[in-house]
Order: sequence, then structure tokens, then C-alpha cells
Amino acid sequence: GAVVSQHPSWVICKSGTSVKIECRSLDFQATTMFWYRQFPKQSLMLMATSNEGSKATYEQGVEKDKFLINHASLTLSTLTVTSAHPEDSSFYICSARDRRTGQHFKPQHFGDGTRLSIL
Amino acid sequence: AQKVTQAQTEISVVEKEDVTLDCVYETRDTTYYLFWYKQPPSGELVFLIRRNSFDEQNEISGRYSWNFQKSTSSFNFTITASQVVDSAVYFCALTVRGGADGLTFGKGTHLIIQP
Repeated sequence: GAVVSQHPSWVICKSGTSVKIECRSLDFQATTMFWYRQFPKQSLMLMATSNEGSKATYEQGVEKDKFLINHASLTLSTLTVTSAHPEDSSFYICSARDRRTGQHFKPQHFGDGTRLSIL
Repeated sequence: AQKVTQAQTEISVVEKEDVTLDCVYETRDTTYYLFWYKQPPSGELVFLIRRNSFDEQNEISGRYSWNFQKSTSSFNFTITASQVVDSAVYFCALTVRGGADGLTFGKGTHLIIQP
């Protein structure tokens, strides 16, 4: 159990276009989902925290108008990179926090990530 | 704020050697959770272990073992009798508030196991 599906796994698009990435929890409900970004040969950095039914919370330095996050249901969060440019090329990975388990701790389950290349 | 330091950027060993990956963390929270993840070239994160701050018991899982020492704020990972398939980037991570916040990752250690 605890599977997170992230789609697409790879996307190449032209500069200036918008790209939507989906993150779905397949067999559990997630009131909270997280979005991370990883540049080549670097660490994963938290971009934003997405709570179902409310506005996302962005980390310092992340442009909320550029990275639109929607968490409309307990199983789906989307990240839209608007007007993407080559510097947005990166590996984006989501995680979903399982609301079911643990009184003191609820684990995050990661998707397999999306490689975004902007030409 | 939390901080995770993995001082070893890259380690290269010959197959069958033992190797230890270091992780030092910083947090003001008294309750926290530590993790190790493996990231193969394909990119996905493979969960290896979670350790709670109130449980300092070391753990062994097959060729993997973890040494958690609160006194030195360290959570080191040892692979015994390394294999080529162990080659990957390994991340140590930390979270607080029961996981309500995202994970803070270290910069990762690229482990290369040579045949």
C-alpha cells in the first residue's frame, strides 16, 4: 500500500509554455502533499506544502505565481509551472502524507518524480 | 530551522568493502524523525529507514545498519560487504512536528561501488 503516482514522468516543452504535473495518492488519503525540486547533482529542496482545500504554503524564494499548486481533493495535488523557462528545468518530486497512520507521526510517501526540460 | 549535513560528497570503494555514510543533524525540537533514502540514477527515492528521536536503538537490516547517537547528533549508515547495486546517491533527512512539515534533506553522498 501507500502508492503515490506522479505524472508525467518526463516532459520536454518549449520556453514560455505551462506545464502541469499531477501527484495522486492511489490507496490512501492525503490531507497534505509536498512538492520538492532537485537540480542536477544537488539535494532535494522543499518548494511548497499543499493542504487540501486551502492555499499552498511556499518556501522562501519560491515564486507562488510561477508555481501554481492546487490540492482540490484528498488524493490529488497538481503543480503547474507557468511560462516555463530553461532555468526551471529540474526534477520535481511530490510526496503525500498519509493521514491514516500514526498518532504522533504520519509518513510521507514519494512519487517517482518528473523530469522537466525546457528548451 | 532544521539542518542536515552530509560531509561526504562522494565515496568510491571496491566491491565487498564496508562503507559508512555520515549524517549530522541540527534541530531545536526535542521530537524529530530521521530518515535515509537511496536515489538510484532513475531518480526515484527509495525509503530505507526512519528513526524517532526517542528511540536510540541501533538497527540492522541485512547488509545495512544504522547508528543513531543523540549525543553527537549523528545518524550514520553502514553498508557491509558492498555490492555494485548499492551504487546510488544516499540522502539523510529530518522532519519535525510528526511529519507535518516537509523533509529537510542533506546534500547527499554519491556512493560508487567498483567491481
